[in-house]
Amino acid sequence: TQLLEQSPQFLSIQEGENLTVYCNSSSVFSSLQWYRQEPGEGPVLLVTVVTGGEVKKLKRLTFQFGDARKDSSLHITAAQPGDTGLYLCAGADSSASKIIFGSGTRLSIRP
Amino acid sequence: NAGVMQNPRHLVRRRGQEARLRCSPMKGHSHVYWYRQLPEEGLKFMVYLQKENIIDESGMPKERFSAEFPKEGPSILRIQQVVRGDSAAYFCASSPSQGGHYGYTFGSGTRLTVV
Repeated sequence: TQLLEQSPQFLSIQEGENLTVYCNSSSVFSSLQWYRQEPGEGPVLLVTVVTGGEVKKLKRLTFQFGDARKDSSLHITAAQPGDTGLYLCAGADSSASKIIFGSGTRLSIRP
Repeated sequence: NAGVMQNPRHLVRRRGQEARLRCSPMKGHSHVYWYRQLPEEGLKFMVYLQKENIIDESGMPKERFSAEFPKEGPSILRIQQVVRGDSAAYFCASSPSQGGHYGYTFGSGTRLTVV
């Protein structure tokens, strides 16, 4: 069974600080995605990474896919209160019939 | 250009009743996925359907749960004889192709409460 572990589970930081969230697995994924979920809503896709070592930037967010395609990180620069939410990593499973999700990192940014 | 539509948003059922959750995928998307989310947890895969076919139901409990995606109309997740443990948020997602390599579009979910 492919599993994705995220760390930390919870993170509360001051506005303006930087942070990194990690997503790790012992399995190789053909692609990996990051989603953000706000209370009472469904997850919203932020990015998909496909190639080992790939780095993608989305404004203040930087996403990296590990060389071996087993792990990924999300780095946020100068966090803002609007970044608050549940961040989920997800990978296409070996059968390629579905994506599986990590347990999430709940991020809180204090003004 | 409506996204994935789920209804109802909130559903309250007494133990032993049936719950029916509906999902209309994005226009042009023929692949539908159902996930369940418990409070403070990630999403757990339940079932993957294409029009009139169940492709992968490995995450679906063997009893009381069923899903369909008819040729016409929305996908339905049906839970018979609900129990308190079924209380959760149920999310539907759709994609234009199999595998999810390019990500899914999720609905806003149905929050089921069993009393």
